[in-house]
Amino acid sequence: DAGVIQSPRHEVTEMGQEVTLRCKPISGHDYLFWYRQTMMRGLELLIYFNNNVPIDDSGMPEDRFSAKMPNASFSTLKIQPSEPRDSAVYFCASSTKGGFRGNGYTFGSGTRLTVV
Amino acid sequence: AQSVTQLGSHVSVSEGALVLLRCNYSSSVPPYLFWYVQYPNQGLQLLLKYTSAATLVKGINGFEAEFKKSETSFHLTKPSAHMSDAAEYFCAVSFSGGYNKLIFGAGTRLAVHP
Repeated sequence: DAGVIQSPRHEVTEMGQEVTLRCKPISGHDYLFWYRQTMMRGLELLIYFNNNVPIDDSGMPEDRFSAKMPNASFSTLKIQPSEPRDSAVYFCASSTKGGFRGNGYTFGSGTRLTVV
Repeated sequence: AQSVTQLGSHVSVSEGALVLLRCNYSSSVPPYLFWYVQYPNQGLQLLLKYTSAATLVKGINGFEAEFKKSETSFHLTKPSAHMSDAAEYFCAVSFSGGYNKLIFGAGTRLAVHP
């Protein structure tokens, strides 16, 4: 199993540009989570999906952020327009049904976003 | 409200010394508890988990944690620190009451010096 795959690993963009982060969860996992990690705020859950349906997006900071999961093997997190304060490491994680209860999540390696 | 608290954002130990990272939780229902480790520029990796079986849980790399209900704690220990243990450690909790999210602590950065 290749694990949770995120792309790109690093992204540098100018303020105002659109940024799209991508995630491929582990095959068979039906929960997918997007987290943001910063020094100031630690790990923040942005949104999570179950069977491709968004369940809780209360952590999405602003309307500039949107996430989709068109199928079981792919999800995107989009920021439009991007701002310097969006600079962070964004993690995707997946788990099996009930996995978060007993098995926890499997995390990807993250995308380090820098907005200049 | 359910929460998890990690005492000490930074811990420094000598190589060969005992490692103790503290985690306390608050919950009105039985919890599931996890420790994750994050090495520099990497994602989080599951170290060990408690899921209501044995209260002393052994994980990878010689780490273990003990669930103490009376103290609402799940502290992480390792008898002898190695330089490669330098990383950030996160305690996390989820609950059997149907609240479907892992709640993470703020993390503890472990430094190991010679």
